Amino acid sequence: DSGVTQTPKHLITATGQRVTLRCSPRSGDLSVYWYQQSLDQGLQFLIQYYNGEERAKGNILERFSAQQFPDLHSELNLSSLELGDSALYFCASSAPRQGGGRAYNEQFFGPGTRLTVL
Amino acid sequence: DQQVKQNSPSLSVQEGRISILNCDYTNSMFDYFLWYKKYPAEGPTFLISISSIKDKNEDGRFTVFLNKSAKHLSLHIVPSQPGDSAVYFCAASEDGTSYGKLTFGQGTILTVHP
Repeated sequence: DSGVTQTPKHLITATGQRVTLRCSPRSGDLSVYWYQQSLDQGLQFLIQYYNGEERAKGNILERFSAQQFPDLHSELNLSSLELGDSALYFCASSAPRQGGGRAYNEQFFGPGTRLTVL
Repeated sequence: DQQVKQNSPSLSVQEGRISILNCDYTNSMFDYFLWYKKYPAEGPTFLISISSIKDKNEDGRFTVFLNKSAKHLSLHIVPSQPGDSAVYFCAASEDGTSYGKLTFGQGTILTVHP
């Protein structure tokens, strides 16, 4: 158990709909990351939040948005869903770790939300 | 543009033997590398990492080697156990982004036969 929780585990919806995926980071972690894993693909970085602020953006579609709340949980909103949005969506969290004067991160992943768009 | 590549989709080894998983990268800005293991229906689990100032990091049965000039890293598992059967992802992070995003390879399915 990584300490990162995601809800729901599974989500089945129709094209054109909107869904919200939720993530609670490990206790004390300030950074939250969202990744998408489509069929036969590696994990693709979508977006990162740090203590409520957007920190980095990857290949996130304009139809997708995210936010991190004061209690540090995060939500990923997916709208106008298309068949191709069917994927596993992972949330990860991390806290900076000091090493040799530089900070590195090790991200701990939640179990994922499997989204199926029919 | 695949900046992190795992060219072997799968690897099969006998229990007790060495498993060697390979990963190549193209972005010279990457300076921190990680290996994750993933079982079906679970999220990736952090396994081991290495910074670019080192060429080897060891943790029990797992050793990661980094060859910066070749932009290549490998994960050695010795001895391999059936419980090691999983998908292994290598990932990389860029210098200067200590909060950084990870760029993942496509993954290699490792099967360890009893």
